[in-house]
Amino acid sequence: AQSVTQLGSHVSVSEGALVLLRCNYSSSVPPYLFWYVQYPNQGLQLLLKYTSAATLVKGINGFEAEFKKSETSFHLTKPSAHMSDAAEYFCAVSPQGGYQKVTFGTGTKLQVIP
Amino acid sequence: DTAVSQTPKYLVTQMGNDKSIKCEQNLGHDTMYWYKQDSKKFLKIMFSYNNKELIINETVPNRFSPKSPDKAHLNLHINSLELGDSAVYFCASSQDRTSGQETQYFGPGTRLLVL
Repeated sequence: AQSVTQLGSHVSVSEGALVLLRCNYSSSVPPYLFWYVQYPNQGLQLLLKYTSAATLVKGINGFEAEFKKSETSFHLTKPSAHMSDAAEYFCAVSPQGGYQKVTFGTGTKLQVIP
Repeated sequence: DTAVSQTPKYLVTQMGNDKSIKCEQNLGHDTMYWYKQDSKKFLKIMFSYNNKELIINETVPNRFSPKSPDKAHLNLHINSLELGDSAVYFCASSQDRTSGQETQYFGPGTRLLVL
């Protein structure tokens, strides 16, 4: 069984401020972890993913996430928010070595204030 | 070129009708999916096909029937539409189903409204 919990359905930051979106996972086997972004009226696109090669993962648009097994977390960060970062962000988990059944979190809507 | 395309983009219909949504991917992927996203943005997998074979079938009413004529296409037919079927339906594809780490590529979504 696997699940992800995203803390905070809405997060507001000022332009230029640090972005921190929280994700905790639960998995009975070693997980793969993903962050996807959804812009208004669009489909999801991959920001970054953890595939056990490195615990600190860098993605597109200046985002990065760190896999912390001891905390079962995979938080997403960006040092300086840009207006174009306003979107819905989804954390997702998939079991290693199994069928590609990805479980998504409930999403966090990021608002960037000018 | 659009990697994963869906038609129609919007679908407004009456309760009780039957409708289909089409999905095509030109990425050469082996696996395709249907997801349902509700009004609260919760995204839930419905079906997954690998090389035209059904591999994931979540607890979806049997009014929903996926069909994969070839590995580049996965269509979704819905019979006897109900108000609760109103949602955004996303098609997605990935290269492989067995590794678990594959990136999924999503279509733009079909916004279904049942009146």
